[in-house]
Amino acid sequence: EVQLVESGGGLVQPGGSLRLSCAVSGFTSSDRYMDWVRQAPGKGLEWVGRTRNKAAGYITEYAASVRGRFTISRDDSKNSLYLQMSSLKTDDTAVYYCSSLRAPYDAWGQGTLVTVSS
Amino acid sequence: QPVVTQEPSLTVSPGGTVTLTCGSSTGAVTSGHYPYWFQQKPGQAPRGLIYDTYNKHSWTPARFSGSLLGGKAALTLSGAQPEDEADYYCFLNYDSIRPFGGGTKLTVL
Repeated sequence: EVQLVESGGGLVQPGGSLRLSCAVSGFTSSDRYMDWVRQAPGKGLEWVGRTRNKAAGYITEYAASVRGRFTISRDDSKNSLYLQMSSLKTDDTAVYYCSSLRAPYDAWGQGTLVTVSS
Repeated sequence: QPVVTQEPSLTVSPGGTVTLTCGSSTGAVTSGHYPYWFQQKPGQAPRGLIYDTYNKHSWTPARFSGSLLGGKAALTLSGAQPEDEADYYCFLNYDSIRPFGGGTKLTVL
């Protein structure tokens, strides 16, 4: 059974940093492109970024709104994905989903809430 | 930065047919944008319905179909059921940018 489990969310002050983790089971994460998607309270989905698979050199891509502040990384030995977030703004408040979206796959975690507030 | 547009809300009668569309600020949506459609119900994570314009996942009900229509990606629901009431998001690929549309709130009434 495919499972993605995010962790690491919480309350952080503006300007602060936070690292989200995503534990993957049911498939080998290094074989797949992996995405982070977020959803602000009461709002729509926003693509945050993607890391390509091992065969594609783990190239990372980011939305303009987070480029330079967020970094996606992996640990293949732990079958895990990470999102390092820095210089956080109140606009970054959202539920963050770890996902495997690139066709033909579709897998999502349950999300972890990040609240940026003083 | 491309912007993906969707109808904010639509209503369909039970058993009826409705088409949701997904446009691009850069011009016509093509198969090269590999359009995806996702469904999200309240309190749940999204779930994929359609990928690469018209392909269905194994769990996608047959009443949903994807296409290109008038320069946009389209999701057609034929024979709407009460459980289809949800938010629907399209997702397009532009080189290294992959924006979602703003979502369509579909009401079955």
